[in-house]
Amino acid sequence: DAGITQSPRHKVTETGTPVTLRCHQTENHRYMYWYRQDPGHGLRLIHYSYGVKDTDKGEVSDGYSVSRSKTEDFLLTLESATSSQTSVYFCAISEKGETQYFGPGTRLLVL
Amino acid sequence: QKEVEQNSGPLSVPEGAIASLNCTYSDRGSQSFFWYRQYSGKSPELIMSIYSNGDKEDGRFTAQLNKASQYVSLLIRDSQPSDSATYLCAVNTNAGGTSYGKLTFGQGTILTVHP
Repeated sequence: DAGITQSPRHKVTETGTPVTLRCHQTENHRYMYWYRQDPGHGLRLIHYSYGVKDTDKGEVSDGYSVSRSKTEDFLLTLESATSSQTSVYFCAISEKGETQYFGPGTRLLVL
Repeated sequence: QKEVEQNSGPLSVPEGAIASLNCTYSDRGSQSFFWYRQYSGKSPELIMSIYSNGDKEDGRFTAQLNKASQYVSLLIRDSQPSDSATYLCAVNTNAGGTSYGKLTFGQGTILTVHP
């Protein structure tokens, strides 16, 4: 997890509220990714970024948005949280778009 | 639809044995292959990467890639109880050089090494 932090690490929220998760890296890597991990589904890509202000959708992007205004920060926003978005969220970084390194994760519970 | 399939688990081996983890993928354009280890409640940790057909060894770990058969495997020699974890296979398709490093993961295989 060196060089990658995620905040908060745990969060409980209510259905319908907006939630923002932060990924911060100190490695100056170009690529950043958000995944969610659920039992029976494995890791699934939500959104990714290939540079400052350059982002695109992944496999499960509905209900999520992202922003990257600085190299080091990649924010994931749940616009109106639903119970189906209860999950563990992982951020990952990559220098050249090959090997990815993961952050410690955020456990989100939507009641 | 790109898919990555891993052998169903859980896999249980005795200490000191060889653990064999298998993964198949559907996209022939796949270029890069990765094995991650994930302990319960922790984040995935990179163990091996492999890009060319054949074997790649790193300590007790050997990754094997056969692109013709669309198959990648991970062998763990002299398995230890500390190897007990979920092992994730991940595949990067770089067709046209614009994949941006996106990975498709298998669902993982739970490995238990018993003393």
